[in-house]
Amino acid sequence: DSGVTQTPKHLITATGQRVTLRCSPRSGDLSVYWYQQSLDQGLQFLIQYYNGEERAKGNILERFSAQQFPDLHSELNLSSLELGDSALYFCASGGIGVQETQYFGPGTRLLVL
Amino acid sequence: DAKTTQPPSMDCAEGRAANLPCNHSTISGNEYVYWYRQIHSQGPQYIIHGLKNNETNEMASLIITEDRKSSTLILPHATLRDTAVYYCIVRVAGFSGGGADGLTFGKGTHLIIQP
Repeated sequence: DSGVTQTPKHLITATGQRVTLRCSPRSGDLSVYWYQQSLDQGLQFLIQYYNGEERAKGNILERFSAQQFPDLHSELNLSSLELGDSALYFCASGGIGVQETQYFGPGTRLLVL
Repeated sequence: DAKTTQPPSMDCAEGRAANLPCNHSTISGNEYVYWYRQIHSQGPQYIIHGLKNNETNEMASLIITEDRKSSTLILPHATLRDTAVYYCIVRVAGFSGGGADGLTFGKGTHLIIQP
């Protein structure tokens, strides 16, 4: 158990819809990272928040957005969903910088029908 | 971040040492080598990391060559539960300021432990 929690575990929705994925970091961690894992693209970094501020962006689509709240939990919002958005979405928490290890949650499996 | 090359798959007998190689010939002096693994569709699990010295923890050992162009992850007594995809990642030291601070995962090595 990494100490990172994600809800929901599974999500099934239809194209065009909007969903929100939630992540609670490990106690004391200020950074939250979001990753997407699909069959054809592998594990890809989407976005990072540090202590409530957006810190870095990876391959995140404009239809996707995230935020980190004062209690440090984070939400990833996916809108105008397409079939290709079906994937595992992982959240990781850690500190800042290379010496700070990222610890991953169990993921949310999203299926868009 | 430097690119890494890993064999797509490897087999190892249960109870034997599993040695997973990683080539990172373009690694820079301020880049660390990290290893993660992913068991089936679970979240990636941190294993170990190092800069230039060999490292050991309760899970594994990391051997980095003197020129730092390659490394080997060693699982000393592999069990069936070690069957997973293992990712070798090199990452610049400190926040890259404007660049992504996320991890860049390649395809990794699918390690299969045989009973």
